[in-house]
Order: sequence, then C-alpha cells, then structure tokens
Amino acid sequence: QVQLQESGPGLVTPSQTLSLTCTVSGDSINTGDYYWSWIRQTPGKGLEWIGYIYFSGKTYYNPSLKSRLTVSMDTSKNQFSLKLTSVTAADTAMYYCARQTYGGDGYAFDIWGQGTMVTVSS
Amino acid sequence: AIQLTQSPASLSASVGDRVTITCRASQGMTSALAWYQQKPGRPPKVLIHDASTLASGVPSRFSGSGSGTDFTLTISSLQPEDSATYYCQQFNSLFTFGPGTKINIK
Repeated sequence: QVQLQESGPGLVTPSQTLSLTCTVSGDSINTGDYYWSWIRQTPGKGLEWIGYIYFSGKTYYNPSLKSRLTVSMDTSKNQFSLKLTSVTAADTAMYYCARQTYGGDGYAFDIWGQGTMVTVSS
Repeated sequence: AIQLTQSPASLSASVGDRVTITCRASQGMTSALAWYQQKPGRPPKVLIHDASTLASGVPSRFSGSGSGTDFTLTISSLQPEDSATYYCQQFNSLFTFGPGTKINIK
C-alpha cells in the first residue's frame, strides 16, 4: 500500500523559506512510473498545483511560483521536497504531496498525503 | 493555462437522486481531465480519470463524460456518504483545478 506523508514546520516567518518533505512508502520514487507533485489548498484560491519532479530530476513548476520554488528529491530516503522562498501570508495553505499517473495509466493525482497546514506569520 | 469553471457551485439533493455536475474549460482540451471528491479534513480522492474512466475502488454510481470544453460528473443514485465537495482538474495546460461543487444531502 503506497502512502505519502508530508512533514515540516507549521509556522513560517514572512520573507523566510518554507521547506516541506514528502516521504513515500510502499513505492520507489526512483522509477519512471509516476510524477511526484506538490499541491496546496486555501479557502480563497482553492486547489493550486505547485510543481512536480520526475525520477530523472526533471521538474515542472507553476509559473506563478517558479521564481521562488525548488522541488528536489532524495532517492536514498525515498523523499521529495519543496522549498518556497520569500513567503508571505498568501502562502498560508494546506500543503499536499501527491503521486501523479500519466500516459497509459491515465492522468490523475491518484494518491495524496494527508496534508500539512503551513501558516505564514510573524 | 486552461481555466476550469464548475456549475453549480453547490446543490442539495435527496438520497437516490441523480446528480450532475458540469465542468467547462476555457479552451478545447483532450480527455486528460480528472474528478475528485473531498470531504472535510481529508485530501481529495480521485473518482474519474481521463474524463470517463472510473478509478480503482470507486462505486459504479459515479460516471464521467464529455469532450472538448464540456465535461460532466454524474452520480446515478446519490448516497449519504456522497456529501462532499467535488473538483474537476485538467492536465492539458499546467494542472489546474475547478473551484469545486459542494453537494449536500437533504
């Protein structure tokens, strides 16, 4: 059974860097079968896809966040991570990591972590 | 990026009713569209992928259809556990989500 679990600070100071990690169990992120994504959700803006990483290290980012965003992976720990710099209150959200299927398996975010709430406040 | 709108924003229906939610894309797209169900305090759960393919383990009362700019999610016989918010999401141009449709049970 594949599971994803987000971890990281729940409170970040404005202008600082938000760092989250997603630990994957039951599957290896070091294959070409899936993309590994970050998605966030706020009451005001709804669900917003942030970016993904592929096993090769290829990344694809939401242009609205690209200048502040880095998604990376540590295959030895079966984890992928998000770093978002210069955060403001607008980055306050529930952050999810998710597995994305593609191609012959169809396109969907088929497995999600439980989410972690991040608040940006001094 | 393709923008998605959903209608209605909310609805109230009775157990056993047939319910349809519409998702409209800002431009024509392929069938790379998914539907999700989200209950309070839980992450979204995929119901339909590729516009009309039922995800594994999802009850057959859920179905999806559509093409081009107009897609629909139908619940053939609404059940109490279907009270939730439903989102469409596309993979054509960036990965955007619709604003959601909240279903309440009368």
